[in-house]
Order: sequence, then structure tokens, then C-alpha cells
Amino acid sequence: DVKVTQSSRYLVKRTGEKVFLECVQDMDHENMFWYRQDPGLGLRLIYFSYDVKMKEKGDIPEGYSVSREKKERFSLILESASTNQTSMYLCASSPSKAVEQYFGPGTRLTVT
Amino acid sequence: GESVGLHLPTLSVQEGDNSIINCAYSNSASDYFIWYKQESGKGPQFIIDIRSNMDKRQGQRVTVLLNKTVKHLSLQIAATQPGDSAVYFCAEMGGSYIPTFGRGTSLIVHP
Repeated sequence: DVKVTQSSRYLVKRTGEKVFLECVQDMDHENMFWYRQDPGLGLRLIYFSYDVKMKEKGDIPEGYSVSREKKERFSLILESASTNQTSMYLCASSPSKAVEQYFGPGTRLTVT
Repeated sequence: GESVGLHLPTLSVQEGDNSIINCAYSNSASDYFIWYKQESGKGPQFIIDIRSNMDKRQGQRVTVLLNKTVKHLSLQIAATQPGDSAVYFCAEMGGSYIPTFGRGTSLIVHP
């Protein structure tokens, strides 16, 4: 079975802090994604990567950056956390185009 | 951009009934469709998919129907069980890396 793991289930940070969310997948998938999920807004794509050291902006990249130094790991960085970044963050991976994504359990981030 | 929508935000059924969750999509270029299940506190989990060259696909207790004429997708769950209680999302893709997700329907199964 594909396993996507995220470094934390719950995280509480203060406004202005730099925040790192880590995601690791163990199935040698090419593509990795970061979403945030908010009530009433569904899943919104922040960034994705289709190869090591490659990254593409999604629908809401402002305030975020990403890093993919190794194929199995995709990090989401909040350079200076703000309260409007309080959300559930979901990482996903997929082996190729136009196939299903495999999601991690999510990180619920609260910025105070 | 194109949107994927759901007709009902909440569906309540009795255990043992069949459930039908609907999804409308608007991008006629989409050729791949997926249903996900998200249980409380967990990430979405793949249930079943269908490509546009098919109009029906069956899995274990689940069936997905695709009507390209009216751009409609449905998920049927047979003999619904309490463990089926979750939020169900549809997603569409047009040959790219990026799916467009619907906002989800909450399925509540009463014992």
C-alpha cells in the first residue's frame, strides 16, 4: 500500500513564525502536492511538484513556498505565519498524470 | 476556472439502504473522474475512478456512473453501513496533473 506521511497531526504556531510542514511518500511517486482544506471551500491547491527540484504554483501560492530536494519528500514552508493560514494541510502524491492521488492524514495548523 | 459541484451537501440514510451521491461537472474536456472518501480526522481516500470512455464502473459495493451528455457523475453505495459515514468528494481531470475537486457531500448513516 502507498503510504504518505506528514510530520505532524497538530501544530500550533505564533504569528510571524517560520513553519515547516513535511511530507514523505514511500512509493517512488513522481508527483507531489500540497493542499489546504477549509470548511465550505473544499481542497485548494497550494503548490505541486512533478519532479525533484521542480515546483509549480497552484491556485493559492501566496505566503507559501515549497522544497523538493529528494523524490520522496516535499516540504511546505510558511515564511511568516499569519492567522489566515490556520487550516488543515493535506499532502498527496501520484505516480503519473491523470491518475488518482494518495493523501496523507493531514496537519491541522493553528496560528495564534 | 471550471468547477465541480455537488447537488446535496448532506445525505442521511438508514443502515442497509442504498446511497446515491451526485456530482455535476462543467469542463467538457475532463476525461477522468475520481471519487474520494474522507473520514473525520483523516485524509481523503480513493474509492473508485472512471474514464470518459466508460459510463459505468463497479467496485465492491460501489458503482460510479458517468453521463457525459449532461456532465453528471454519481456514486452509488449499496447496503450502506455506519462505516460509510464520511464526506465524499468527486474530482475531475483533463489529462493534467491537477484534479478539480468538488466541495464534498456529507453522508450520515443511521443505525
